Amino acid sequence: GAGVSQSPSNKVTEKGKDVELRCDPISGHTALYWYRQSLGQGLEFLIYFQGNSAPDKSGLPSDRFSAERTGGSVSTLTIQRTQQEDSAVYLCASSLTGGGLAGGLDEQFFGPGTRLTVL
Amino acid sequence: SQQGEEDPQALSIQEGENATMNCSYKTSINNLQWYRQNSGRGLVHLILIRSNEREKHSGRLRVTLDTSKKSSSLLITASRAADTASYFCATGQGGKLIFGQGTELSVKP
Repeated sequence: GAGVSQSPSNKVTEKGKDVELRCDPISGHTALYWYRQSLGQGLEFLIYFQGNSAPDKSGLPSDRFSAERTGGSVSTLTIQRTQQEDSAVYLCASSLTGGGLAGGLDEQFFGPGTRLTVL
Repeated sequence: SQQGEEDPQALSIQEGENATMNCSYKTSINNLQWYRQNSGRGLVHLILIRSNEREKHSGRLRVTLDTSKKSSSLLITASRAADTASYFCATGQGGKLIFGQGTELSVKP
């Protein structure tokens, strides 16, 4: 594909409901990242994947958050029992290899984000 | 947690003027990246500077890096109204990028 795509672009849900956010990375990119951005705030790292495994889940705010990646491609971020503080823009990014310690991390390509509103 | 701090938090200039944004970080780095964000949606990569580089240019962008001071600056020359956006620096930590809080730039026509 031409770029990283995310769906839905907007999601309004009621408190307590579960939501699934989808990310389609650029074809061939092995690394995939999820970030969250609240109104007027910087980007908060959530989790990243190298292939289908997630070496770093340290940014997930609680056990209500989970993510998976299948086939080294599409990733889904699931939020269970949503709370109002989960309202934010969820951004996905991919990079070619992720990069290594010696050369630093690759450039990341971002999707347009999913704006989640929990009522 | 955020890796670094950026200043100013907001900057308003007239078209044609230069805009300078600064970023400080805390840990040693292999490279530092600058991104731009329009309207709170996806980010666009602008430029990457490696730790052994001191200055890098790309079009109207000039980035400097001072590893001894753990700081970087982004200069946009001859600004245009279309440059209005938020600008973030980012450094690598393990396998992930850590972003600063960003500078909100407004360029008035």
